[in-house]
Amino acid sequence: GESVGLHLPTLSVQEGDNSIINCAYSNSASDYFIWYKQESGKGPQFIIDIRSNMDKRQGQRVTVLLNKTVKHLSLQIAATQPGDSAVYFCAENARGTSYGKLTFGQGTILTVHP
Amino acid sequence: DVKVTQSSRYLVKRTGEKVFLECVQDMDHENMFWYRQDPGLGLRLIYFSYDVKMKEKGDIPEGYSVSREKKERFSLILESASTNQTSMYLCASSLVPNYGYTFGSGTRLTVV
Repeated sequence: GESVGLHLPTLSVQEGDNSIINCAYSNSASDYFIWYKQESGKGPQFIIDIRSNMDKRQGQRVTVLLNKTVKHLSLQIAATQPGDSAVYFCAENARGTSYGKLTFGQGTILTVHP
Repeated sequence: DVKVTQSSRYLVKRTGEKVFLECVQDMDHENMFWYRQDPGLGLRLIYFSYDVKMKEKGDIPEGYSVSREKKERFSLILESASTNQTSMYLCASSLVPNYGYTFGSGTRLTVV
């Protein structure tokens, strides 16, 4: 039968706009964070990561910001394109977690309109 | 780039069948993981392996088993498939703890 669960947050933007996707975490021992992109019918794809000794990291068109005080992570996508439409989710790993298991967020659906 | 290959993109199996999902990675990663992904429930860890012949249960191991006879291959086994195991199954690998995972493309399994 159909699963019943949380509806994913959605973000709808126009092509060329900047997008900001947010993620909150609760474990103060988390020290490594990753953003993944998952297109429909495909496996998650690594976008960018950041360690807790940094508060900002930039990639190509993407920036990740980490605010450890409020346990918040964001992904900024510059000049969003239709090909950026996907589900984006954050993942975290805490110091001492057995074998580096990641904890995943639920995800945000990004839709980019041409 | 690391490649994680899942043997099937789509599978349809009958209730009660024994199902094997295969995953192979080509970069000598120590850790391998099996997740299932369902709408609204996110990624849930079924089993993981940190070395050949070593395995640990994840959050939802019931109805599943795994096999890791070689470092590069991690198999997920559904002992007797049931309709509630219809899902997207994702395999992942990582080099060491505190590193990101590389995921395979996923296997969409339908049990009828």
